[in-house]
Amino acid sequence: DIQLTQSPSFLSASVGDRVTITCRASQGISSYLAWYQQKPGKAPKLLIYTASTLQSGVPSRFSGSGSGTEFTLTISSLQPEDFATYYCQQLNSSPAFGQGTKVEIK
Amino acid sequence: EVQLVESGGGLVKPGGSLRLSCAASGLTFSSYSMNWVRQAPGKGLEWVSAISSTSTYIYYADSVKGRFTISRDNAKNSLNLQMNSLRAEDTAVYYCARGHRSHAFDIWGQGTMVTVSS
Repeated sequence: DIQLTQSPSFLSASVGDRVTITCRASQGISSYLAWYQQKPGKAPKLLIYTASTLQSGVPSRFSGSGSGTEFTLTISSLQPEDFATYYCQQLNSSPAFGQGTKVEIK
Repeated sequence: EVQLVESGGGLVKPGGSLRLSCAASGLTFSSYSMNWVRQAPGKGLEWVSAISSTSTYIYYADSVKGRFTISRDNAKNSLNLQMNSLRAEDTAVYYCARGHRSHAFDIWGQGTMVTVSS
């Protein structure tokens, strides 16, 4: 099975900061990767699919890039509502998730 | 409004069974694959099972294979998860989620809590 490893697992940042989260796959997955945001007590929310396509309604400060085994989620200017946990997910068979990256207020 | 609403969670003893349901509204349910995803307390997301739009293709995570059964009733816009031989490690919030054309999960329910404990 394909494993996804996110880094860092925890990130402390300030409002206005540029934030980058990395997701590495144990084998190539082309562009079959999605990113989700989850706030405490809430269901995950799809942000990006096929590595770089922004889901409808998601602010443009979120962007995704990468292909093969290395992917990044970038938040260009962190907003108060962006403090949450972020997960990557590979979209092949057995759609596993990364372990998550918690973004907290510095 | 597009909505998925899970039900059926609760407290069950190890070895017991539980049936979860997910009611869909505001979408053409029969056109989409559906999934179950769970999240143990304080832990990350774990994909559990998937079913194609016409139930032709069904997949399970290794952790639940042989114990859980996914099904759907397109006439009733409902998704189900029959969970047997439950273990303490099955304790989690269970979400149903719609499969997007990209295979990502674009619509999620609010989740239902399953606790397996004696």
